[in-house]
Amino acid sequence: DTGVSQDPRHKITKRGQNVTFRCDPISEHNRLYWYRQTLGQGPEFLTYFQNEAQLEKSRLLSDRFSAERPKGSFSTLEIQRTEQGDSAMYLCAWRNEKLFFGSGTQLSVL
Amino acid sequence: DQQVKQNSPSLSVQEGRISILNCDYTNSMFDYFLWYKKYPAEGPTFLISISSIKDKNEDGRFTVFLNKSAKHLSLHIVPSQPGDSAVYFCAAAEYGNKLVFGAGTILRVKS
Repeated sequence: DTGVSQDPRHKITKRGQNVTFRCDPISEHNRLYWYRQTLGQGPEFLTYFQNEAQLEKSRLLSDRFSAERPKGSFSTLEIQRTEQGDSAMYLCAWRNEKLFFGSGTQLSVL
Repeated sequence: DQQVKQNSPSLSVQEGRISILNCDYTNSMFDYFLWYKKYPAEGPTFLISISSIKDKNEDGRFTVFLNKSAKHLSLHIVPSQPGDSAVYFCAAAEYGNKLVFGAGTILRVKS
């Protein structure tokens, strides 16, 4: 039990298409994070929410990326006009002191 | 600017022997350090952590050592098992702030 459920697990899309990922906390988690991991790199911070408020955004999060957490429950991450460089695993995580990751969504942009 | 560095991309160890994974950091404000393990197509799973007030933390076969003066930490796995084969990430944070991860070390435990 990772504490968060991510959907879909895998996504293949064509360059230029929009994609949306969803993260569902299994129980109430105030702080919810999005990270991205590419091959050969560690997870990189994208953004995080304290309840419904988006408190910090990385400069990695270009204007093609948007994240929401309506009502402070589930969260979505949308990428518009996908590029091949967006191919990565997108990870949702919750935190008390440690960070607990979901299983991730593997995005492949063709 | 890599604040957390894992300089060994891979490590190969015989089953039953000790695995030692190393991590260096540059930010002296970091006061909390963690190790994560990742299998292919899965998210990283938390392994063990240490705060800056300690220099050692042990959990079963896993021990993390912290050398603050050298800005260095290491993860020891004894004895190593084939199921330990995975990518290991070191991470660090200032209290309450986001975690910063290293690039990872691939551990292969040979039986």
